[in-house]
Amino acid sequence: GAVVSQHPSRVICKSGTSVKIECRSLDFQATTMFWYRQFPKQSLMLMATSNEGSKATYEQGVEKDKFLINHASLTLSTLTVTSAHPEDSSFYICSARDPGSRNYGYTFGSGTRLTVV
Amino acid sequence: GDSVTQMEGPVTLSEEAFLTINCTYTATGYPSLFWYVQYPGEGLQLLLKATKADDKGSNKGFEATYRKETTSFHLEKGSVQVSDSAVYFCARGVKAAGNKLTFGGGTRVLVKP
Repeated sequence: GAVVSQHPSRVICKSGTSVKIECRSLDFQATTMFWYRQFPKQSLMLMATSNEGSKATYEQGVEKDKFLINHASLTLSTLTVTSAHPEDSSFYICSARDPGSRNYGYTFGSGTRLTVV
Repeated sequence: GDSVTQMEGPVTLSEEAFLTINCTYTATGYPSLFWYVQYPGEGLQLLLKATKADDKGSNKGFEATYRKETTSFHLEKGSVQVSDSAVYFCARGVKAAGNKLTFGGGTRVLVKP
């Protein structure tokens, strides 16, 4: 079945630095990928929709300049957390839809736990 | 707006007990409905889905029926195992809304031996 690979699985960075998270669709092409954020013991909040070859669509309240999304190819989307602060510490999850599957067919990555110290 | 409401956890059960997790959704836009499971430290895995009224999704002993009249999609399993301990998320999605999924708050289930 469809596989989405997300890296890194864990990252610790210093305040003020930037961190890049990659999301790859391994055996299908994804024109659209989604980035979510999950706080401890809470649900997933959609941050943005990543569109191949065009600008991402951000949800209300998500800072575009802080969470940079690049979807340069049909198999790769990246989320860069710029000038990270401790409040950005969270679990970030990407998902992609395999257009070859029926009825959605969303596949999720395994998530990236970001800790900003 | 679109929303999904599911029962709060944690739900603690003994092995072989019956599990029910309630989920209700807003009915706008003829949504498809999903249950996802998240094991500790991992991403989400699709557990089951239903795309129209009266459809029943099933997988690994779990079942949920799309009830349009009550706008519900309750998850059930007749006999849980310790390995079913996880967080379960109910979700809705509408193609007309760009295929975005809206998740419920999640329900943590702990099965004790």
